[in-house]
Amino acid sequence: AQTVTQSQPEMSVQEAETVTLSCTYDTSESDYYLFWYKQPPSRQMILVIRQEAYKQQNATENRFSVNFQKAAKSFSLKISDSQLGDAAMYFCAYRSAMNRDDKIIFGKGTRLHILP
Amino acid sequence: EPEVTQTPSHQVTQMGQEVILRCVPISNHLYFYWYRQILGQKVEFLVSFYNNEISEKSEIFDDQFSVERPDGSNFTLKIRSTKLEDSAMYFCASSNLGVASPLHFGNGTRLTVT
Repeated sequence: AQTVTQSQPEMSVQEAETVTLSCTYDTSESDYYLFWYKQPPSRQMILVIRQEAYKQQNATENRFSVNFQKAAKSFSLKISDSQLGDAAMYFCAYRSAMNRDDKIIFGKGTRLHILP
Repeated sequence: EPEVTQTPSHQVTQMGQEVILRCVPISNHLYFYWYRQILGQKVEFLVSFYNNEISEKSEIFDDQFSVERPDGSNFTLKIRSTKLEDSAMYFCASSNLGVASPLHFGNGTRLTVT
Protein backbone atom coordinates (compact mmCIF):
# COMPACT_ATOMS: atom_id res chain seq x y z
CA ALA A 1 0.00 0.00 0.00
CA GLN A 2 1.10 3.51 -0.70
CA THR A 3 2.04 5.82 2.15
CA VAL A 4 2.79 9.52 2.41
CA THR A 5 5.01 10.88 5.16
CA GLN A 6 5.38 14.48 6.26
CA SER A 7 8.01 14.58 8.96
CA GLN A 8 7.52 18.22 9.99
CA PRO A 9 4.32 18.67 12.06
CA GLU A 10 4.90 22.43 12.27
CA MET A 11 7.12 25.03 10.68
CA SER A 12 7.54 28.77 10.95
CA VAL A 13 8.91 31.28 8.48
CA GLN A 14 9.39 35.02 8.49
CA GLU A 15 7.18 36.94 6.12
CA ALA A 16 8.87 37.42 2.70
CA GLU A 17 11.28 34.56 3.34
CA THR A 18 11.38 31.17 1.64
CA VAL A 19 10.32 27.93 3.28
CA THR A 20 10.47 24.31 2.16
CA LEU A 21 8.04 21.66 3.35
CA SER A 22 9.18 18.05 3.11
CA CYS A 23 7.27 15.02 1.88
CA THR A 24 8.30 11.48 1.12
CA TYR A 25 6.15 8.68 -0.19
CA ASP A 26 6.35 4.99 -0.72
CA THR A 27 5.00 3.19 -3.75
CA SER A 28 5.88 0.37 -6.08
CA GLU A 29 4.06 2.01 -8.97
CA SER A 30 5.76 3.96 -11.72
CA ASP A 31 2.87 6.12 -12.81
CA TYR A 32 1.17 8.39 -10.30
CA TYR A 33 0.39 11.97 -9.36
CA LEU A 34 1.55 14.03 -6.43
CA PHE A 35 -0.19 17.04 -4.94
CA TRP A 36 0.13 19.69 -2.31
CA TYR A 37 -3.14 20.87 -0.77
CA LYS A 38 -3.52 23.86 1.50
CA GLN A 39 -6.06 23.95 4.32
CA PRO A 40 -6.46 27.43 5.86
CA PRO A 41 -8.38 27.98 9.12
CA SER A 42 -11.60 27.95 7.10
CA ARG A 43 -10.89 24.18 6.68
CA GLN A 44 -11.39 24.27 2.92
CA MET A 45 -9.02 22.02 0.92
CA ILE A 46 -7.32 24.02 -1.81
CA LEU A 47 -5.10 22.50 -4.48
CA VAL A 48 -1.76 24.31 -4.53
CA ILE A 49 0.25 22.37 -7.06
CA ARG A 50 0.29 19.08 -8.95
CA GLN A 51 3.09 16.94 -10.37
CA GLU A 52 2.81 14.05 -12.79
CA ALA A 53 5.37 11.36 -12.04
CA TYR A 54 6.26 10.89 -15.70
CA LYS A 55 7.32 14.52 -15.99
CA GLN A 56 10.89 15.26 -14.99
CA GLN A 57 10.34 18.99 -14.90
CA ASN A 58 9.34 20.34 -11.51
CA ALA A 59 5.91 21.96 -11.38
CA THR A 60 5.67 25.68 -10.58
CA GLU A 61 2.68 27.86 -9.71
CA ASN A 62 3.66 31.47 -9.06
CA ARG A 63 5.42 31.52 -5.65
CA PHE A 64 4.98 27.77 -5.19
CA SER A 65 7.33 25.20 -6.68
CA VAL A 66 8.20 21.59 -6.01
CA ASN A 67 11.38 19.58 -5.92
CA PHE A 68 10.36 16.19 -7.26
CA GLN A 69 12.98 13.47 -6.83
CA LYS A 70 11.39 10.31 -8.21
CA ALA A 71 14.21 7.93 -7.35
CA ALA A 72 14.32 9.20 -3.79
CA LYS A 73 10.49 9.31 -3.62
CA SER A 74 10.65 12.85 -2.37
CA PHE A 75 8.29 15.71 -3.17
CA SER A 76 9.02 18.93 -1.31
CA LEU A 77 7.14 22.21 -1.61
CA LYS A 78 8.97 25.52 -1.72
CA ILE A 79 7.09 28.71 -0.94
CA SER A 80 8.93 31.85 -1.95
CA ASP A 81 8.24 35.34 -0.62
CA SER A 82 5.99 33.96 2.12
CA GLN A 83 2.85 35.95 2.83
CA LEU A 84 0.58 36.04 5.86
CA GLY A 85 -2.13 34.38 3.78
CA ASP A 86 0.09 31.34 3.32
CA ALA A 87 -0.45 30.38 6.95
CA ALA A 88 -2.28 27.07 6.80
CA MET A 89 -2.02 23.32 7.11
CA TYR A 90 -0.30 21.84 4.07
CA PHE A 91 -0.98 18.28 3.00
CA CYS A 92 1.15 16.27 0.63
CA ALA A 93 -0.89 13.72 -1.31
CA TYR A 94 -0.41 10.77 -3.65
CA ARG A 95 -2.70 9.37 -6.29
CA SER A 96 -2.11 6.23 -8.29
CA ALA A 97 -2.67 6.40 -12.03
CA MET A 98 -3.58 2.71 -12.20
CA ASN A 99 -7.35 3.18 -12.03
CA ARG A 100 -9.38 6.07 -13.35
CA ASP A 101 -11.08 6.76 -10.06
CA ASP A 102 -8.23 6.12 -7.68
CA LYS A 103 -8.38 7.88 -4.37
CA ILE A 104 -5.93 10.44 -3.05
CA ILE A 105 -3.87 9.44 -0.03
CA PHE A 106 -2.86 12.27 2.27
CA GLY A 107 0.05 12.74 4.62
CA LYS A 108 -0.55 13.96 8.17
CA GLY A 109 0.13 17.55 7.25
CA THR A 110 2.52 20.35 8.18
CA ARG A 111 1.18 23.42 9.91
CA LEU A 112 2.91 26.52 8.54
CA HIS A 113 3.09 29.69 10.61
CA ILE A 114 4.05 32.99 8.99
CA LEU A 115 5.79 35.41 11.33
CA PRO A 116 5.21 39.11 10.58
CA GLU B 1 -15.13 28.87 -11.36
CA PRO B 2 -17.49 25.96 -10.59
CA GLU B 3 -17.40 24.69 -7.03
CA VAL B 4 -18.34 21.64 -5.05
CA THR B 5 -20.95 22.70 -2.51
CA GLN B 6 -21.75 20.94 0.73
CA THR B 7 -24.66 21.38 3.09
CA PRO B 8 -25.03 21.92 5.93
CA SER B 9 -21.79 23.56 6.98
CA HIS B 10 -22.31 22.34 10.54
CA GLN B 11 -24.56 19.56 11.80
CA VAL B 12 -25.11 18.65 15.42
CA THR B 13 -26.81 15.36 16.18
CA GLN B 14 -27.36 13.03 19.08
CA MET B 15 -25.66 9.68 19.29
CA GLY B 16 -27.71 6.99 17.57
CA GLN B 17 -29.43 9.38 15.18
CA GLU B 18 -29.19 9.17 11.42
CA VAL B 19 -27.57 12.01 9.48
CA ILE B 20 -27.39 12.77 5.80
CA LEU B 21 -24.61 14.98 4.51
CA ARG B 22 -25.26 16.51 1.15
CA CYS B 23 -22.96 17.45 -1.68
CA VAL B 24 -23.46 18.95 -5.10
CA PRO B 25 -20.41 18.07 -7.20
CA ILE B 26 -19.30 20.13 -10.17
CA SER B 27 -21.82 19.47 -12.91
CA ASN B 28 -19.70 17.68 -15.53
CA HIS B 29 -17.78 15.60 -13.01
CA LEU B 30 -18.14 11.85 -13.01
CA TYR B 31 -16.09 10.67 -10.03
CA PHE B 32 -17.15 11.40 -6.48
CA TYR B 33 -15.49 10.91 -3.14
CA TRP B 34 -16.06 11.34 0.56
CA TYR B 35 -13.23 12.00 2.99
CA ARG B 36 -13.26 12.76 6.67
CA GLN B 37 -10.91 14.62 8.96
CA ILE B 38 -11.10 14.17 12.70
CA LEU B 39 -10.07 17.44 14.31
CA GLY B 40 -6.33 17.99 14.05
CA GLN B 41 -5.70 14.73 12.26
CA LYS B 42 -5.08 13.59 8.72
CA VAL B 43 -7.63 13.56 5.94
CA GLU B 44 -8.88 9.99 5.51
CA PHE B 45 -10.49 8.40 2.48
CA LEU B 46 -13.96 6.95 3.01
CA VAL B 47 -15.42 6.01 -0.35
CA SER B 48 -15.26 6.63 -4.09
CA PHE B 49 -18.25 6.46 -6.42
CA TYR B 50 -18.46 6.20 -10.18
CA ASN B 51 -21.17 5.20 -12.63
CA ASN B 52 -23.73 4.92 -9.84
CA GLU B 53 -21.80 2.46 -7.77
CA ILE B 54 -19.10 2.37 -5.15
CA SER B 55 -15.65 1.95 -6.69
CA GLU B 56 -13.70 1.58 -3.50
CA LYS B 57 -14.28 1.98 0.20
CA SER B 58 -11.98 2.11 3.18
CA GLU B 59 -12.25 0.05 6.35
CA ILE B 60 -13.77 3.12 8.02
CA PHE B 61 -16.74 2.88 5.66
CA ASP B 62 -18.60 0.13 7.49
CA ASP B 63 -22.26 -0.86 7.35
CA GLN B 64 -23.26 2.31 9.16
CA PHE B 65 -22.30 4.35 6.12
CA SER B 66 -23.94 4.54 2.73
CA VAL B 67 -23.71 6.81 -0.30
CA GLU B 68 -26.24 7.67 -2.91
CA ARG B 69 -26.63 9.80 -5.97
CA PRO B 70 -30.41 10.22 -5.85
CA ASP B 71 -30.62 12.50 -8.86
CA GLY B 72 -28.33 14.04 -11.43
CA SER B 73 -26.83 16.58 -9.09
CA ASN B 74 -26.69 15.47 -5.45
CA PHE B 75 -24.27 13.04 -3.84
CA THR B 76 -25.10 12.10 -0.26
CA LEU B 77 -23.38 10.37 2.63
CA LYS B 78 -25.66 8.76 5.20
CA ILE B 79 -24.57 7.64 8.62
CA ARG B 80 -27.26 5.35 9.95
CA SER B 81 -26.63 5.44 13.68
CA THR B 82 -24.06 8.02 14.65
CA LYS B 83 -21.40 7.40 17.26
CA LEU B 84 -19.36 9.92 19.20
CA GLU B 85 -16.30 8.99 17.17
CA ASP B 86 -18.08 10.00 13.95
CA SER B 87 -17.56 13.63 14.98
CA ALA B 88 -15.34 15.03 12.25
CA MET B 89 -15.16 17.26 9.21
CA TYR B 90 -16.56 15.49 6.17
CA PHE B 91 -15.36 16.55 2.75
CA CYS B 92 -16.96 15.76 -0.56
CA ALA B 93 -14.78 15.84 -3.68
CA SER B 94 -15.25 15.31 -7.38
CA SER B 95 -13.22 15.06 -10.56
CA ASN B 96 -14.09 14.81 -14.22
CA LEU B 97 -11.39 12.75 -15.88
CA GLY B 98 -10.47 10.42 -13.08
CA VAL B 99 -6.81 10.36 -12.18
CA ALA B 100 -5.87 12.75 -14.98
CA SER B 101 -7.62 15.58 -13.20
CA PRO B 102 -7.30 16.83 -9.63
CA LEU B 103 -9.93 16.40 -6.97
CA HIS B 104 -12.00 19.47 -6.23
CA PHE B 105 -13.09 19.60 -2.62
CA GLY B 106 -16.11 21.21 -1.05
CA ASN B 107 -15.83 23.36 2.07
CA GLY B 108 -16.80 20.44 4.28
CA THR B 109 -19.53 19.67 6.79
CA ARG B 110 -18.56 19.71 10.43
CA LEU B 111 -20.46 16.89 12.16
CA THR B 112 -20.72 17.00 15.91
CA VAL B 113 -22.21 13.97 17.65
CA THR B 114 -23.25 14.54 21.25
